[in-house]
Amino acid sequence: EIVLTQSPATLSLSPGERATLSCRASQSISHYLAWYQQKPGQAPRLLIYDTSYRATGVPARFTGSGSGTDFTLTIGSLEPEDFAVYYCHQRSDWPLTFGGGTTVEIK
Amino acid sequence: QVQLVESGGGVAQPGRSLRLSCSASGFTFSSFAIDWVRQAPGKGLEWVAIIWYDGSNQYYVDSVKGRFTISRDDSKNTVYLQMNSLRAEDTAVYYCARGMAGTTGGVFDYWGQGTLVTVSS
Repeated sequence: EIVLTQSPATLSLSPGERATLSCRASQSISHYLAWYQQKPGQAPRLLIYDTSYRATGVPARFTGSGSGTDFTLTIGSLEPEDFAVYYCHQRSDWPLTFGGGTTVEIK
Repeated sequence: QVQLVESGGGVAQPGRSLRLSCSASGFTFSSFAIDWVRQAPGKGLEWVAIIWYDGSNQYYVDSVKGRFTISRDDSKNTVYLQMNSLRAEDTAVYYCARGMAGTTGGVFDYWGQGTLVTVSS
């Protein structure tokens, strides 16, 4: 099973700041990495798929990068609605797996 | 608009069974893979199972293999998750999610609101 390790566990930032979230895979997953955002009491929302493709309706301040085993989600300038939990997810091999999540909280 | 609605959750005793349903609308159901993803209370996301658009393949996380079965009825636009031999660790909110068109699984572009399964004596 491919293990995804997200860091940091919690990111404390202010609105307007830049957020950088990391996801490391236990083996190469090529570009098959997605990012999801989840707010309390809500289902997850797809942000980025296949490393760098924004899903429909996702603002341009969300960008994904990386390849192989190291991936990054960058939120260019945090808006109030961006404070949430973010999960990375790989579809390179079965079983599909998620990272443990990064909480982006208001400082 | 695309909608996925889960049902069938509730409380079950360990060792018993439940069947979850995921009813879809707003898209050509038979063209899309559907997955189940669960989230234990206060925990992260765990992928559970997938059934391909044509039902030809199903995959499961190891912890549910032999106990859970995913199936689909395209005439009813519904995917099912039959959960047998339930364990306390199966307690979670279960989401169904649609696999994005043009992918072979693992990009979930629409999600249901989730249904809570509690396994307790």
